[in-house]
Amino acid sequence: NAGVTQTPKFQVLKTGQSMTLQCAQDMNHEYMSWYRQDPGMGLRLIHYSVGAGITDQGEVPNGYNVSRSTTEDFPLRLLSAAPSQTSVYFCASSPDSNTEAFFGQGTRLTVV
Amino acid sequence: LAKTTQPISMDSYEGQEVNITCSHNNIATNDYITWYQQFPSQGPRFIIQGYKTKVTNEVASLFIPADRKSSTLSLPRVSLSDTAVYYCLVGDMTYQAGTALIFGKGTTLSVSS
Repeated sequence: NAGVTQTPKFQVLKTGQSMTLQCAQDMNHEYMSWYRQDPGMGLRLIHYSVGAGITDQGEVPNGYNVSRSTTEDFPLRLLSAAPSQTSVYFCASSPDSNTEAFFGQGTRLTVV
Repeated sequence: LAKTTQPISMDSYEGQEVNITCSHNNIATNDYITWYQQFPSQGPRFIIQGYKTKVTNEVASLFIPADRKSSTLSLPRVSLSDTAVYYCLVGDMTYQAGTALIFGKGTTLSVSS
């Protein structure tokens, strides 16, 4: 079982560029979410999804878009990268709201 | 919105028992209490979850008093490899179906030899 797979692991972008962070899970989980983690901080929720076709905003959604066309995939799109989006991004999935969430290994993004 | 408060940092020595307390005064009736562990450059990893009284697994114990306004994660006989950040989370019913995990800054546990 691969669990939650995030790609790429590292990425450097120039200000204004766009890109998509990929997240895939093979556990047939309905719930998926994206977090960002800045140095010395806990994780902050960006967007989440309770099933295919359903997404909603978290604490810090500005500058990010998501879609959930399949149960397995939950990509995070940066429309126009800014230095403030330099962070480590984690994707997570869980079968429901009150059980164990599984996290990916993270994507370290630097915007210059 | 259930908010949690936990110590920023704790220090311990190998072989000791470590207890990390989390305060969650506004916990809702349907909320569960969950603890995660995070090592540097890795995603958080589930440790334990409970609703009331005591829960124990192969890694830790979780103690929850009757009023559920706090909880204590107990790590028996810690080793150097237990050095990590520990997060206490309470199910957030503000979000649809309480799906989203709300992380605070966590407790950084440092274990020395």
